Amino acid sequence: AQTVTQSQPEMSVQEAETVTLSCTYDTSESDYYLFWYKQPPSRQMILVIRQEAYKQQNATENRFSVNFQKAAKSFSLKISDSQLGDAAMYFCAYRSAQRSYQKVTFGTGTKLQVIP
Amino acid sequence: EAGVTQFPSHSVIEKGQTVTLRCDPISGHDNLYWYRRVMGKEIKFLLHFVKESKQDESGMPNNRFLAERTGGTYSTLKVQPAELEDSGVYFCASSQDTSVYNEQFFGPGTRLTVL
Repeated sequence: AQTVTQSQPEMSVQEAETVTLSCTYDTSESDYYLFWYKQPPSRQMILVIRQEAYKQQNATENRFSVNFQKAAKSFSLKISDSQLGDAAMYFCAYRSAQRSYQKVTFGTGTKLQVIP
Repeated sequence: EAGVTQFPSHSVIEKGQTVTLRCDPISGHDNLYWYRRVMGKEIKFLLHFVKESKQDESGMPNNRFLAERTGGTYSTLKVQPAELEDSGVYFCASSQDTSVYNEQFFGPGTRLTVL
């Protein structure tokens, strides 16, 4: 069974600074997807960034980028130039690339506070 | 385009009562998923519908939980009778199909409190 671990329950960052959220996972599969989801307070969860395991290049979406270390099973999220709107719960997640296994496995989340 | 909607947003019931949660997926999405987050823990998968059929129900905790998706449109998740440990946030998600990669879009969740 796959597991996802987020060891930082809470993090804080100064506005305009950079923060990195950590995530490790465990799987025996070679092909899978990794995600970071963001859930702002009282709002629905949205996808921030996605990484395909077969791609060596780290995914980037504007101010969000990941450091994907497949051998180490590590998948951290870096937020550059942090903004007040980045304050949210962030969930690291895993999904198999097999069509028959569509369920997403989540970590426990990291609550990010952005300080003005 | 309307996103995934869930009703109600909050529900407070007493132990032993019945509660039914509803999820309306994005129009045209054949896949519908239910997840649950118990306080402070990870979000856990409950089950996956493809149209009206249950593709994977490996995450359903016990037979007090019944999920249906009649007609392949909206879905309901009934908890009967509710227990204290059922408290948490129930999320619904939908996706278009299972070919290659397809993103799951999440609803805002229903917060269930069992007293």
